[in-house]
Amino acid sequence: DAEITQSPRHKITETGRQVTLACHQTWNHNNMFWYRQDLGHGLRLIHYSYGVHDTNKGEVSDGYSVSRSNTEDLPLTLESAASSQTSVYFCASSEQGAPTYEQYFGPGTRLTVT
Amino acid sequence: KNQVEQSPQSLIILEGKNCTLQCNYTVSPFSNLRWYKQDTGRGPVSLTIMTFSENTKSNGRYTATLDADTKQSSLHITASQLSDSASYICVVSHINAGNMLTFGGGTRLMVKP
Repeated sequence: DAEITQSPRHKITETGRQVTLACHQTWNHNNMFWYRQDLGHGLRLIHYSYGVHDTNKGEVSDGYSVSRSNTEDLPLTLESAASSQTSVYFCASSEQGAPTYEQYFGPGTRLTVT
Repeated sequence: KNQVEQSPQSLIILEGKNCTLQCNYTVSPFSNLRWYKQDTGRGPVSLTIMTFSENTKSNGRYTATLDADTKQSSLHITASQLSDSASYICVVSHINAGNMLTFGGGTRLMVKP
């Protein structure tokens, strides 16, 4: 069955370190998204991609970057981790096309920055 | 600023009872409104998607309603089960933002035996 996976599921890192969170989908979807979820906030969009070599900034992109070298993967990099980036991160993917496209979410990565 | 507000923030009900969750939004114009269920430690899973022209949509014991004039939606859960314990998130798709999604903060539902 097609799926979307994230790794690691839990990560503890120190302030200032570079961290990369992996997202892999086997749906063959063109669209991929990264969100963060914090208490008191809804999910907020960090970056998104509509296809290979395409990347776009979302609402809360400062301090994060992504690259899309193939259809299946969209890794999220925290260039220099900050305590404010402690959060749960979700990757999602969807087909291109109609606005009612379904977004399928991964299981999430809980990141703690100490 | 486009917003999606949900109420109540949390709710406790007894197994077998019905409940209704509310969502008010200011996103305009919007193309569709969705309800997601998020179990603890998991990613959100879609329950319903309604376009602006739809008033109601059901998925088993879940029924979503939409009033585009008042910018309100509700999610009604019938004959609740213990497995309904989760967060329920209202999400609105914004036409002028490339159909990007704006998420509400969610309602945390606990169903007790």
